[in-house]
Amino acid sequence: AQTVTQSQPEMSVQEAETVTLSCTYDTSESNYYLFWYKQPPSRQMILVIRQEAYKQQNATENRFSVNFQKAAKSFSLKISDSQLGDTAMYFCAFMKGGATNKLIFGTGTLLAVQP
Amino acid sequence: DTGVSQDPRHKITKRGQNVTFRCDPISEHNRLYWYRQTLGQGPEFLTYFQNEAQLEKSRLLSNRFSAERPKGSFSTLEIQRTEQGDSAMYLCASSPRGDGNQPQHFGDGTRLSIL
Repeated sequence: AQTVTQSQPEMSVQEAETVTLSCTYDTSESNYYLFWYKQPPSRQMILVIRQEAYKQQNATENRFSVNFQKAAKSFSLKISDSQLGDTAMYFCAFMKGGATNKLIFGTGTLLAVQP
Repeated sequence: DTGVSQDPRHKITKRGQNVTFRCDPISEHNRLYWYRQTLGQGPEFLTYFQNEAQLEKSRLLSNRFSAERPKGSFSTLEIQRTEQGDSAMYLCASSPRGDGNQPQHFGDGTRLSIL
């Protein structure tokens, strides 16, 4: 069975600074995808960034980038130039390829961006 | 694209009552998922539909839970004889057919509170 671990329950960062959220996972699969989702307070979950396991290049979406270390089964999210609107719960998620595409989530990291 | 719609947003009921939630996915999406999210945890997979066929159910989905997607469009999730432990946010997501390059789009969720 696959598991996803987020070891930082809460983090805080000053506006305009950079912050890194950690995620590790465990799987024996070779074909899979990794995701970071953002859930703002009382708002719906939205996709931040995704990474295909077969790609060595780290995914980047504007101010968001990942550090994907496949051998270490690590998938961290870096947020550059943090903005107040980045305040949210961030979930790391795993998806096995070629199956039902169900997501397996970590327990989340609550990020607070301070003005 | 109006997004994934869930109804109701909030439901308060007494223990032992039956409740039903509705999810309207994005119109062109043929995959639909239900997740349950308890306080301080990440969402947990409950069940998955491809069109009208329910293809996977989690062991979390006890026999008091039933989900349908009769015409491959909207879906309902019914909980019979509710228990305190059913209190949670119930999230619905949809995606087009495909592998992990097709992200899941989430609704706002239905928050269930059992008195």
